[in-house]
Amino acid sequence: EPEVTQTPSHQVTQMGQEVILRCVPISNHLYFYWYRQILGQKVEFLVSFYNNEISEKSEIFDDQFSVERPDGSNFTLKIRSTKLEDSAMYFCASSEPTSTPIFGPGTRLTVL
Amino acid sequence: DQQVKQNSPSLSVQEGRISILNCDYTNSMFDYFLWYKKYPAEGPTFLISISSIKDKNEDGRFTVFLNKSAKHLSLHIVPSQPGDSAVYFCAASVKTSGTYKYIFGTGTRLKVLA
Repeated sequence: EPEVTQTPSHQVTQMGQEVILRCVPISNHLYFYWYRQILGQKVEFLVSFYNNEISEKSEIFDDQFSVERPDGSNFTLKIRSTKLEDSAMYFCASSEPTSTPIFGPGTRLTVL
Repeated sequence: DQQVKQNSPSLSVQEGRISILNCDYTNSMFDYFLWYKKYPAEGPTFLISISSIKDKNEDGRFTVFLNKSAKHLSLHIVPSQPGDSAVYFCAASVKTSGTYKYIFGTGTRLKVLA
């Protein structure tokens, strides 16, 4: 069964450093998403991406965040200068136009 | 602005009994609702969905009910099994800028006791 994969599974970084979280969506999917979940809290929408551009972004997704689809398979989330409060599980998801999003296993980001 | 709310953070149910998880929403533009199940250290897994044109959708032990006038949906699990123990998120979607945006609730931790 096709699945969304994410790397790394756990990323530890120092405050102020840049991180790139990587996702490989399901190959025939066209819509891509990033969500995050701070420990014990709800799953929060960050951004949706379609046709090589951002479709929608939340208030969380400020200028420190960016997304890219650098090639035909990867979908990345970059945080330019990490803050302590960026520590969370980051989930990538992808979907076809009328299907439900399928989530990856997540990347745990720890900012020290 | 909490558009999707799950007011019960946790629920314990005996094995074999019914589990009822509730979700309320505020945005009348939502037209599609989903339930996801999440185990620790894993991503959310899609469980069941319902379109706003229906009031019930059933899939095996799982049934989702939608009451549009009350802006309320519920997930029934019958019979509950220990393997159902997980965090359950409801999500609602609305089409914006050509894509669907999915808003998640805060989750309900279900514990099924053997």
